[in-house]
Amino acid sequence: NAGVTQTPKFQVLKTGQSMTLQCAQDMNHNSMYWYRQDPGMGLRLIYYSASEGTTDKGEVPNGYNVSRLNKREFSLRLESAAPSQTSVYFCASSPWTGGGGELFFGEGSRLTVL
Amino acid sequence: GNSVTQMEGPVTLSEEAFLTINCTYTATGYPSLFWYVQYPGEGLQLLLKATKADDKGSNKGFEATYRKETTSFHLEKGSVQVSDSAVYFCALPLSGGYNKLIFGAGTRLAVHP
Repeated sequence: NAGVTQTPKFQVLKTGQSMTLQCAQDMNHNSMYWYRQDPGMGLRLIYYSASEGTTDKGEVPNGYNVSRLNKREFSLRLESAAPSQTSVYFCASSPWTGGGGELFFGEGSRLTVL
Repeated sequence: GNSVTQMEGPVTLSEEAFLTINCTYTATGYPSLFWYVQYPGEGLQLLLKATKADDKGSNKGFEATYRKETTSFHLEKGSVQVSDSAVYFCALPLSGGYNKLIFGAGTRLAVHP
């Protein structure tokens, strides 16, 4: 009954360090997404993958890269972390690629960049 | 492009009080509208949705009506419980398909006994 699993749940980085956030879903969903959540700003879409083998930019892609490794896994990489990337990151998945469908979220990964 | 504006919080209520959280949107056409809820320490989960104008979504005692005349999708509950304490997000699709959603800033609700 795992759903969407994110690792790590907490991470502290120094400015300039790199890291990868991992996301896996066991619901056989086609679409996967990365969002960041900042106080007073709701969630903003970083990148998404409509299907295995495809990725595309969302609202705030700068400073991030993604990989859709297979249908289950979608990772988010910070190559050179900056304090502005301190946030809570959520991975989500959906069985739909058209509009109007529900997203299923992981529990989040809290990242602090010093 | 599509956008959403949500009432700022926090909202503090006593148990059994009436709840309204306002949400207005700007969109091309008539997209589906959503309310998501985030309980402490958890990810977001869908609370309810409406797929066309004049539809009413409902779940767990919460309701929201898709009103195209006022471009609104306000969330209501007649009698809140302590367990309803959470952050509530209004959402609609970004333009361009692929089920991308844009979220409001969130409204934190605290319900006291």
